Amino acid sequence: GAVVSQHPSRVICKSGTSVKIECRSLDFQATTMFWYRQFPKQSLMLMATSNEGSKATYEQGVEKDKFLINHASLTLSTLTVTSAHPEDSSFYICSANGGAGSTDTQYFGPGTRLTVL
Amino acid sequence: GNSVTQMEGPVTLSEEAFLTINCTYTATGYPSLFWYVQYPGEGLQLLLKATKADDKGSNKGFEATYRKETTSFHLEKGSVQVSDSAVYFCALSDQAGTALIFGKGTTLSVSS
Repeated sequence: GAVVSQHPSRVICKSGTSVKIECRSLDFQATTMFWYRQFPKQSLMLMATSNEGSKATYEQGVEKDKFLINHASLTLSTLTVTSAHPEDSSFYICSANGGAGSTDTQYFGPGTRLTVL
Repeated sequence: GNSVTQMEGPVTLSEEAFLTINCTYTATGYPSLFWYVQYPGEGLQLLLKATKADDKGSNKGFEATYRKETTSFHLEKGSVQVSDSAVYFCALSDQAGTALIFGKGTTLSVSS
């Protein structure tokens, strides 16, 4: 149980285009999902907290107009990178709290590798 | 603010060697502590966790004990295998349902 999926796993796009990444909790409901960004050989940095039915909470330094987050249902959150540029190239990872009796445990998606040309 | 400090890697060991990866934390209150593992090309997987002082988390031969007096959560394994080669992240959560704070990760490389 407690599986989180992400789609796509890899995406290559041209500079200036927008890219949408989906994060789904497959076998549990997640009122809260998190979006992280991981640079090569570095740790995960929290970008934003996504709450179902409300606006996301962004960390300091993260542009909310550039990284649009929508948490439309208890099993789906999306991250849209708008007008992507090469510096947005990174590994984006989502996670969700959940699973039976495990509200303090986060389950991570497999990540999405974004490359902006 | 809350933070997690891990030993710098990479850690290179021979098969069957003993492993220790140090992790210390700074937090107010009583955080939950976690070790996650990231295998090459894959996402993070929960390895083990501990939610209160003196708890010992264990999984797949790995262990870590929540030491509040030393604010530590060191990861240990008595005999590593080549398949344990991965990046290991120590993390804390200061409140159920909130985001995790990660250490920088420690790369483990095990050779046969």
